[in-house]
Amino acid sequence: SAVISQKPSRDICQRGTSLTIQCQVDSQVTMMFWYRQQPGQSLTLIATANQGSEATYESGFVIDKFPISRPNLTFSTLTVSNMSPEDSSIYLCSVEHNEQFFGPGTRLTVL
Amino acid sequence: AQSVTQLDSQVPVFEEAPVELRCNYSSSVSVYLFWYVQYPNQGLQLLLKYLSGSTLVESINGFEAEFNKSQTSFHLRKPSVHISDTAEYFCAVSYNFNKFYFGSGTKLNVKP
Repeated sequence: SAVISQKPSRDICQRGTSLTIQCQVDSQVTMMFWYRQQPGQSLTLIATANQGSEATYESGFVIDKFPISRPNLTFSTLTVSNMSPEDSSIYLCSVEHNEQFFGPGTRLTVL
Repeated sequence: AQSVTQLDSQVPVFEEAPVELRCNYSSSVSVYLFWYVQYPNQGLQLLLKYLSGSTLVESINGFEAEFNKSQTSFHLRKPSVHISDTAEYFCAVSYNFNKFYFGSGTKLNVKP
């Protein structure tokens, strides 16, 4: 199994600011994934983060808005830039380690 | 493209009653099917999965799901629910274990 931790667990931010979410895994994994769960909606994949290469973004998500870092095989960050209230969501980190594991999520509220 | 439909956003049920949470999917390729559960204030946990073989798969806590290829369904069932089963349940598909496509979730509320 893989144990995933995320920081912060929740935050309340002002419009126009940025927040960086950290994801730490207890084992080395090739790919890490970032999902968004908007209120009352399902999870949507934002991007796939591979160590040593640029993240791959899904349709509707761009690097300028959601820059991602993947400095090593156990860590990744997702930044939500220039936030607006529409960015209020739960952001989840996920890894594939024989099965798909999800972090506890970061609950973001943008005022 | 893949998509997952969970028609029931909320399912209220009394304790010890049976329950079925519906999931239908569409895909142009063969997919793997999953049910995840999210207990209040916790992260997503894998409940069960269908990869190949027997179309009926079971979890350790009494849930089962049956893959029906002709109906493109993967409904989740439990013959007798407990209060502790109160959670949100997500159906998901993946064709490569990397990208997952999730349904909108079904909130199961078990009442005493």
